Amino acid sequence: QVQLVQSGAEVKKPGASVKVSCKASGYTFTSYYMNWVRQAPGQGLEWMGIINPNSGGTTYPQRFQDRLTMTRDMSTSTFYMDLSSLTSEDTAVYYCARGLAFGNYLEYNLDYWGQGTLVTVSS
Amino acid sequence: QSALTQPRSVSGSPGQSVTISCTGTSSDVGGYNYVSWYQQHPGKAPKLMIYDVSKRPSGVPDRFSGSKSGNTASLTISGLQIEDEADYYCCSYAGSYTAVFGGGTKLTVL
Repeated sequence: QVQLVQSGAEVKKPGASVKVSCKASGYTFTSYYMNWVRQAPGQGLEWMGIINPNSGGTTYPQRFQDRLTMTRDMSTSTFYMDLSSLTSEDTAVYYCARGLAFGNYLEYNLDYWGQGTLVTVSS
Repeated sequence: QSALTQPRSVSGSPGQSVTISCTGTSSDVGGYNYVSWYQQHPGKAPKLMIYDVSKRPSGVPDRFSGSKSGNTASLTISGLQIEDEADYYCCSYAGSYTAVFGGGTKLTVL
């Protein structure tokens, strides 16, 4: 069965960086893109970006382009999301979410989700 | 890239139908047939309910249906059940290999 298991909760100070991991299992790692989505407390979902598991190529929205890095480790079937220059507005639950299929923009339909990682930014 | 516009809340009684709208622009909802819908219960991860405007993943009841007209997509839930009470989010491909979510709609089953 498909599983996405994320790393545990983090508490960071403003200006610091955080790296969240997402270990994939139960499917062929290279066959599905991975997206990252976050949700601030009591707020809606926000799409943060997508990574191609084969090439490592990424796309992020403009607002994250200077402080967000997504990577993957093919040897351990793990994806990583690294967000720098944290502020209190980055306090949120961060999810990794697998794209439904490869091609025809099905990568942007998210069929399996991790359990979420709470990142709290506080001085 | 602004969030898609959804009503903050909708409600209905068991057995009734409700429709949730999702309004974007010609750069996202109106420009592509790649709209998806997610259901999220409190404290849980979202669940994919509809993709490509109107397709249902395996296991999603056919009470859930999607459609699109111009820059507005819609999710209709017929035969409302208590367990349908949740938050619902639309999402659209927005060009340049990006996506954008709606602000979310809280469905209350009275």
